[in-house]
Amino acid sequence: DQQVKQNSPSLSVQEGRISILNCDYTNSMFDYFLWYKKYPAEGPTFLISISSIKDKNEDGRFTVFLNKSAKHLSLHIVPSQPGDSAVYFCAANAGGTSYGKLTFGQGTILTVHP
Amino acid sequence: KAGVTQTPRYLIKTRGQQVTLSCSPISGHRSVSWYQQTPGQGLQFLFEYFSETQRNKGNFPGRFSGRQFSNSRSEMNVSTLELGDSALYLCASSPWTSTYNEQFFGPGTRLTVL
Repeated sequence: DQQVKQNSPSLSVQEGRISILNCDYTNSMFDYFLWYKKYPAEGPTFLISISSIKDKNEDGRFTVFLNKSAKHLSLHIVPSQPGDSAVYFCAANAGGTSYGKLTFGQGTILTVHP
Repeated sequence: KAGVTQTPRYLIKTRGQQVTLSCSPISGHRSVSWYQQTPGQGLQFLFEYFSETQRNKGNFPGRFSGRQFSNSRSEMNVSTLELGDSALYLCASSPWTSTYNEQFFGPGTRLTVL
């Protein structure tokens, strides 16, 4: 049972344009969501997070939107740069006694072309 | 601040052996979580430790165990290795100072079981 889904295995974008990565979840107990970027042979790097009491969080070129009724979140990268090319994972935490447990999606490979 | 460090970075073992992986969290972080990443299953939560106590555990067999020391450093152990244990093992630390806590990952230990 995959509770966090990233339905697009890959996304290709031109430099300077917007990248939109999507994530859906099924567990209504999730109340904290995070996005990570991962390069091969490295650990995931934290990008941005959002709690369920918000519907938007922004940090520089990265904005995360949360639609709780649709159980959907998205990461917008504007403008996209070639250095953004990596695998992007969304992750969710249920709070409460789910200490330290992040549930990850399968990842989306983002390629930004110069 | 130094990031999360993991040793060793690469390890080759044979079936039936056991292995111990080490993780040093970011200074001041008291929570350490462990994850397994495989191509088929993605990133999966193993367990989380806080103040030397295991607070949460994922769905892995008892061959996977861990511990945390008083300085927050953590080790995980896999006994009676199987071919399917070949994976990237990631450690993440978190300050756990509020309800919502980001996790910061180390570079991982690549375990190959022959």
